[in-house]
Amino acid sequence: QSVLTQPPSVSAAPGQKVTISCSGSSSNIGNNYVSWYQQLPGTAPKLLIYANNKRPSGIPDRFSGSKSGTSATLGITGLQTGDEADYYCGTWDSSLSAWVFGGGTKLTVL
Amino acid sequence: QVQLVQSGAEVKKPGASVKVSCKASGYTFTRYGISWVRQAPGQGLEWMGWISAYNGNTNYAQKLQGRVTMSTDTSTNTAYMELRSLRSDDTAVYYCARETIHYSGSYSYYFDYWGQGTLVTVSS
Repeated sequence: QSVLTQPPSVSAAPGQKVTISCSGSSSNIGNNYVSWYQQLPGTAPKLLIYANNKRPSGIPDRFSGSKSGTSATLGITGLQTGDEADYYCGTWDSSLSAWVFGGGTKLTVL
Repeated sequence: QVQLVQSGAEVKKPGASVKVSCKASGYTFTRYGISWVRQAPGQGLEWMGWISAYNGNTNYAQKLQGRVTMSTDTSTNTAYMELRSLRSDDTAVYYCARETIHYSGSYSYYFDYWGQGTLVTVSS
């Protein structure tokens, strides 16, 4: 059971928009920044979003992040088949003194 | 360009130890920390711990305390993760990841570069 809760799967058609939620508590998301990672099949995770809503260079603006209270959301617009991957949220948990991840969400582009 | 290159796959028997290396290049090694994250087959990401490449300070996940040791060699820009008393549920892909700190009013921590992963299989 992960400390951060994500839906196991989401799906949408090419060109559409999808959101992935990440729910936590005051000891993690509520008081710390959230980052998001994309893991394509058989590869290492890749940073998509840091500090809740900032994109590293090279990440297209189709990817966005937001945070409100103890929840965070990853948004992806203009879905492409190449976006099919597992997506993870992560943040520091001040009570556990540990980094925590969500259980991951598998995105299917139908 | 920043690269983290890990050592190759390992097969170990239960009770043995494994030591995985992560060689960094393309940045000043001592200015960043390294975290280790593992992923069991078909499962999510699990943070194992962190080491400062500057002074060697460590912070291990509670469930691995006593079994894991992280270290660095600043002469070769390499980080190491040793896991002892291996069990079958330690079978996983082990990743090293560079931890970066971003400041904009408060501090944000995240993993901006990852190694390619090292498969460790524990089987009798």
